[in-house]
Amino acid sequence: AQSVTQPDIHITVSEGASLELRCNYSYGATPYLFWYVQSPGQGLQLLLKYFSGDTLVQGIKGFEAEFKRSQSSFNLRKPSVHWSDAAEYFCAVGGNNNDMRFGAGTRLTVKP
Amino acid sequence: GAVVSQHPSRVICKSGTSVKIECRSLDFQATTMFWYRQFPKQSLMLMATSNEGSKATYEQGVEKDKFLINHASLTLSTLTVTSAHPEDSSFYICSARRRQGFADTQYFGPGTRLTVL
Repeated sequence: AQSVTQPDIHITVSEGASLELRCNYSYGATPYLFWYVQSPGQGLQLLLKYFSGDTLVQGIKGFEAEFKRSQSSFNLRKPSVHWSDAAEYFCAVGGNNNDMRFGAGTRLTVKP
Repeated sequence: GAVVSQHPSRVICKSGTSVKIECRSLDFQATTMFWYRQFPKQSLMLMATSNEGSKATYEQGVEKDKFLINHASLTLSTLTVTSAHPEDSSFYICSARRRQGFADTQYFGPGTRLTVL
C-alpha cells in the first residue's frame, strides 16, 4: 500500500535561511510525487511534481525537490525562505490512476 | 490555467439540514474529481472519487448515503451532506484531475468550511 511520511510536524526557520522539508514514501511501482502548500483556511496549491526524468524538479516560488529512489525520498528545498512561505506543506504520492495519498503535513514558521 | 473553484467558501447550517457544495473546474474538463475532508491541523482524508456520468467510489468508512456525490458534467461535481450533524463540521476540499501527457495532476479548490450548529 502506498503511504507518505513527513517526519517533521513543525519547522521554524529564520527569514533568509535555507529550508529542507523531508518526505519519505512507500509505493509499489514508479511513484508520481507532489508537493502542495496550504495557507490557513485555503485550498492546496501545487508547488511541483515529479513524474519521470530529471530527479531534480523545479517548482514555483523558488522551491525545488529531489527524487532519490534509493532513499525513497522526495525532499523539498528552498535556498532562502521568505516570510510569505509560512504555511502548511504536504507531500503526496500517487500512481497513474491518481489514487493520491498525502503525508500528515509540515507546518513552517518563519522568524523575522 | 488549471483553476478549480468551490462554492460556498463557508456555510453554517442547523443540525438536520442538508448542505450542497459545488466544485467546478474552470478552464479544463475533469472526468474525475475527488472530495477530501480535513480536520484542524491534520492532513487531507480522501472521502470519495467522483466520476463523470457514473457513481462515485467511496473510501472505506465513508457513508455514501450521507455524503451524496453527483458529477453531472465534465466541469462540475457536487457534494451534498445530508442531515448534517455537528460532527460533520469540517473543511471540505475538492480536486479535479487534469490529464497532462502520460500522467495526471490534481488541482485543488479553495475549500469549504462547514459548521453545523
